[in-house]
Amino acid sequence: DSGVTQTPKHLITATGQRVTLRCSPRSGDLSVYWYQQSLDQGLQFLIQYYNGEERAKGNILERFSAQQFPDLHSELNLSSLELGDSALYFCASSPIPGSGANVLTFGAGSRLTVL
Amino acid sequence: QQQVKQSPQSLIVQKGGISIINCAYENTAFDYFPWYQQFPGKGPALLIAIRPDVSEKKEGRFTISFNKSAKQFSLHIMDSQPGDSATYFCAVLSTLGRLYFGRGTQLTVWP
Repeated sequence: DSGVTQTPKHLITATGQRVTLRCSPRSGDLSVYWYQQSLDQGLQFLIQYYNGEERAKGNILERFSAQQFPDLHSELNLSSLELGDSALYFCASSPIPGSGANVLTFGAGSRLTVL
Repeated sequence: QQQVKQSPQSLIVQKGGISIINCAYENTAFDYFPWYQQFPGKGPALLIAIRPDVSEKKEGRFTISFNKSAKQFSLHIMDSQPGDSATYFCAVLSTLGRLYFGRGTQLTVWP
C-alpha cells in the first residue's frame, strides 16, 4: 500500500456521462498530481495541485477539471465522456513540488471504461 | 512534445540474464532521473533514481548509468528474475517539479 488512496477502482459508464474520481494523498503530502495512462499514450500528466492551488497544467482536456480541497484530497471530474477517455487514471502525491528527492508516490489507479 | 524517449518498447530476457532499458532526453533543465516499476493492476512505484552529478548508481541488482553529455541514461537489471517482469518507466524531473515519463518498457523474464 503506497498510502495514496484512489476511488473508485473501476468505473464503467456511457458516452456523454460525467464521472468523478477521488484521491487522498499520502499523509503529509501537500501536492497532488493526476495522470492518464492509456496504451497508446503512456503516462500523460494532466494537472497538479499544491496545498489547494493549481500549480501546473498538462495535457488536460477542457472537458476535464480538478480541484484540491482544504483537507488535501483531490477530485478529477471528467464530463461529456468519449470512448477515447477510457484509460487508467492515476493520482500521485509528493510532500512539496520541485525537489528531486520528493518524487511521486502513486495510487493504484482508477480504471475508467466508457461504452 | 515528448521530453524523454525510451527503448525498447518490450524486452524478453531469460532468467539470470541482464535486462537493459535505455532513455534519452532533450531538455537540459532536468535535475533528477528516476525509474518506476509498474506491475499489472498497480500504480508505478519508484525503483531507483539518480542525480545528474553522478554517473552510476547501484541498488542491489538494479543499476542506473547516466551519461550527461549524451543526455542518456539506462537501467540495468542484473541476474533478471521472473518476479522482475513488469513495465518500467524512465522519467525526468524538471527544475520546476514536473515529472515527464517515457512510454514504458514491458519486461518479461522467462524462467
